[in-house]
Amino acid sequence: TQLLEQSPQFLSIQEGENLTVYCNSSSVFSSLQWYRQEPGEGPVLLVTVVTGGEVKKLKRLTFQFGDARKDSSLHITAAQPGDTGLYLCAGVTRKLVFGQGTRLTINP
Amino acid sequence: ETGVTQTPRHLVMGMTNKKSLKCEQHLGHNAMYWYKQSAKKPLELMFVYSLEERVENNSVPSRFSPECPNSSHLFLHLHTLQPEDSALYLCASSWGPGNTEAFFGQGTRLTVV
Repeated sequence: TQLLEQSPQFLSIQEGENLTVYCNSSSVFSSLQWYRQEPGEGPVLLVTVVTGGEVKKLKRLTFQFGDARKDSSLHITAAQPGDTGLYLCAGVTRKLVFGQGTRLTINP
Repeated sequence: ETGVTQTPRHLVMGMTNKKSLKCEQHLGHNAMYWYKQSAKKPLELMFVYSLEERVENNSVPSRFSPECPNSSHLFLHLHTLQPEDSALYLCASSWGPGNTEAFFGQGTRLTVV
């Protein structure tokens, strides 16, 4: 069974701080996706990383795929209240395997 | 607007009731999915349909019965559920049943009493 472990599970920080969320597995994935889910909504895709070592930036969000394609991280710079939500990583093989998510709260 | 619409948004049902969840996608995708999202657990894939054929059933109890009459519509028929089945049920669609971006609906919040 392929498992994705996300850490931390909960994170509450002040506006303007930086943070990093991790997604780890013992399995190799062909690619990895990050989704954000806001209350009352379904997850929405933020980014897909494909190549080992790849780094993608989306405004204040930086996504990195591990060299061995087993892990990934999401770094947010100068967090804002609008970043609040559940962040899910999903490993891609024949299907999507989701982590349990990191619930992020940014306090004004 | 994600292009995937689920109804109802909220549902409360008794353990002896029969109800159905509906999902409709307007994206022209060929694959549709049902996921269960419970507190503190990863998204659980329940069923996958590709071109209206069920291609995956992840050991889901028979009290959950999916139906895919065409590539745009997906139903989840519910009967004799248990309180532990209370969860957010998410429908998603994608171009194919494999490694592509999934577009999710807003979900149906189900409470079994």
